[in-house]
Amino acid sequence: GQNIDQPTEMTATEGAIVQINCTYQTSGFNGLFWYQQHAGEAPTFLSYNVLDGLEEKGRFSSFLSRSKGYSYLLLKELQMKDSASYLCAVRDSNYQLIWGAGTKLIIKP
Amino acid sequence: IAGITQAPTSQILAAGRRMTLRCTQDMRHNAMYWYRQDLGLGLRLIHYSNTAGTTGKGEVPDGYSVSRANTDDFPLTLASAVPSQTSVYFCASSAVGGSYNEQFFGPGTRLTVL
Repeated sequence: GQNIDQPTEMTATEGAIVQINCTYQTSGFNGLFWYQQHAGEAPTFLSYNVLDGLEEKGRFSSFLSRSKGYSYLLLKELQMKDSASYLCAVRDSNYQLIWGAGTKLIIKP
Repeated sequence: IAGITQAPTSQILAAGRRMTLRCTQDMRHNAMYWYRQDLGLGLRLIHYSNTAGTTGKGEVPDGYSVSRANTDDFPLTLASAVPSQTSVYFCASSAVGGSYNEQFFGPGTRLTVL
């Protein structure tokens, strides 16, 4: 079967750095996405990785290792507005997205 | 610029009733999707359409039907609602053939079936 695993909840302090991990087992791989979802709102696109390595976009970076079936999202200089759920999704061989259950990130002052 | 709109925003429905959730996008995206999101679970694909005139079944299609008469609209119908269909429903769309083809989401419809 297909499976995406990520921690259910994480807590971090304002101004700090946090790493959210995602491991996956899917039938085929055509890219990995990270989305942010604030409570009661729609998911919004954060990043995309299809090759191994690090993609940096401002305070957010995403890393991929295809051989290990592993990705992480790194958030730097945390702000209170970063409190949200972070969703990992893999595009499979049918070009459909398989979604993890999401990691709820709580930022404390 | 609207992106994707969904209607209604929320609905309480009696079991056994028929209900259509509406979704419209103005980005001229070929592909559209319907997901449901339940607490503790990832987004689950109900139905999708890769282009106008075609539809396909996702992971959890039972009890739902869709149509794609044109590029912009992708309605989802519950023929006879059951309480297990209580959920938040998101419509999404994406371009096809580009590099990312990330999905853009509508604001969601919160549906309660009693």
